[in-house]
Amino acid sequence: EDKVVQSPLSLVVHEGDTVTLNCSYEVTNFRSLLWYKQEKKAPTFLFMLTSSGIEKKSGRLSSILDKKELFSILNITATQTGDSAVYLCAATGSARQLTFGSGTQLTVLP
Amino acid sequence: GAVVSQHPSRVICKSGTSVKIECRSLDFQATTMFWYRQFPKQSLMLMATSNEGSKATYEQGVEKDKFLINHASLTLSTLTVTSAHPEDSSFYICSAIGGDTTDTQYFGPGTRLTVL
Repeated sequence: EDKVVQSPLSLVVHEGDTVTLNCSYEVTNFRSLLWYKQEKKAPTFLFMLTSSGIEKKSGRLSSILDKKELFSILNITATQTGDSAVYLCAATGSARQLTFGSGTQLTVLP
Repeated sequence: GAVVSQHPSRVICKSGTSVKIECRSLDFQATTMFWYRQFPKQSLMLMATSNEGSKATYEQGVEKDKFLINHASLTLSTLTVTSAHPEDSSFYICSAIGGDTTDTQYFGPGTRLTVL
């Protein structure tokens, strides 16, 4: 059975801190790993990673995939209160269905 | 970017009634749409996968006669919760994939269903 595990489950930091969110996966016929941000409504897409070692960046967020270790991290630098959300990691296999992790609840305090 | 809409955003109904939720891809053709359910403080649980013009594939434990899915066009999928009960109260979210070359699923804003 496909599995995605995220850590930590929750994290509380102060504005300006840098955070690293972790995601490990075990997916048959792995195709890609995706990161989403979920606030009060449905998830919004952040990154899709398919190749090892290539960092993707968007502003203060960046992510990288290690296909050998079956692992990905999401970094957020200079955090702001608006970064407070649940960050979801998901992986796809041959069926293109997303297997989601349980999410990391990030709280950024002013 | 790809935009997916859902309607309604919130619905309250009486036990025993049926509720239809629409999911539309607004600026792309969605070859595949997915329906998820999310309980408070939990992650998304995949209910079914639907491809345009064919029957939906349901995940284990999801009753196909209770959660009717129709994907009649490349921009519209509907989920009908039949004979709703209070335990069906949840946040229902759809997502869509455009084309065969991407795995990126774009999510609708979700529908909050409350069954009294």
